[in-house]
Amino acid sequence: GDSVTQMEGPVTLSEEAFLTINCTYTATGYPSLFWYVQYPGEGLQLLLKATKADDKGSNKGFEATYRKETTSFHLEKGSVQVSDSAVYFCALANTGGFKTIFGAGTRLFVKA
Amino acid sequence: NAGVTQTPKFRVLKTGQSMTLLCAQDMNHEYMYWYRQDPGMGLRLIHYSVGEGTTAKGEVPDGYNVSRLKKQNFLLGLESAAPSQTSVYFCASSSRGADYGYTFGSGTRLTVV
Repeated sequence: GDSVTQMEGPVTLSEEAFLTINCTYTATGYPSLFWYVQYPGEGLQLLLKATKADDKGSNKGFEATYRKETTSFHLEKGSVQVSDSAVYFCALANTGGFKTIFGAGTRLFVKA
Repeated sequence: NAGVTQTPKFRVLKTGQSMTLLCAQDMNHEYMYWYRQDPGMGLRLIHYSVGEGTTAKGEVPDGYNVSRLKKQNFLLGLESAAPSQTSVYFCASSSRGADYGYTFGSGTRLTVV
């Protein structure tokens, strides 16, 4: 079945460091791919999405590119801030489908 | 503010008690979902609905029931709570299919003692 695998955390970075969180997926068909972010004590928020191969999703300085050849959707940010500390979830959903498959989440700590 | 509202935010139940969690959305979304989030388990789908009057089982439906009598509301019921149902429950909605992305509520933290 469909699945999402993302790197285990926690990831600890200093402020202004470069961030990469790896995500790979297994899916039939051509799914849409997502990154969600969960700040402490809150629900998940949609951070960015990409709907087809080579699309780049971006928001708030975060980027991810839909790589069909490597079945990956890695999250990157050039310069992280303390306020980026959160749990990040990679996810996929098939076109017209009812359900989203979530990865296990990666916790990010950013130190001042 | 538009979005998904969950009530209550916190609740403590005794084993065997019942309760209903309410989810309300004001975005006219067709699809609604209930998830539970547990440490080390990620998000697991309990039940979902693809429109008013419809419901379907997700990955972990046992011990829960749901109803979608009105398009804007999706209720999750626990008839006889068990300690294994201690969790954080999230409601989500999407305008059409899941590939449109979800809007989540802020969660209900439930403890069953």
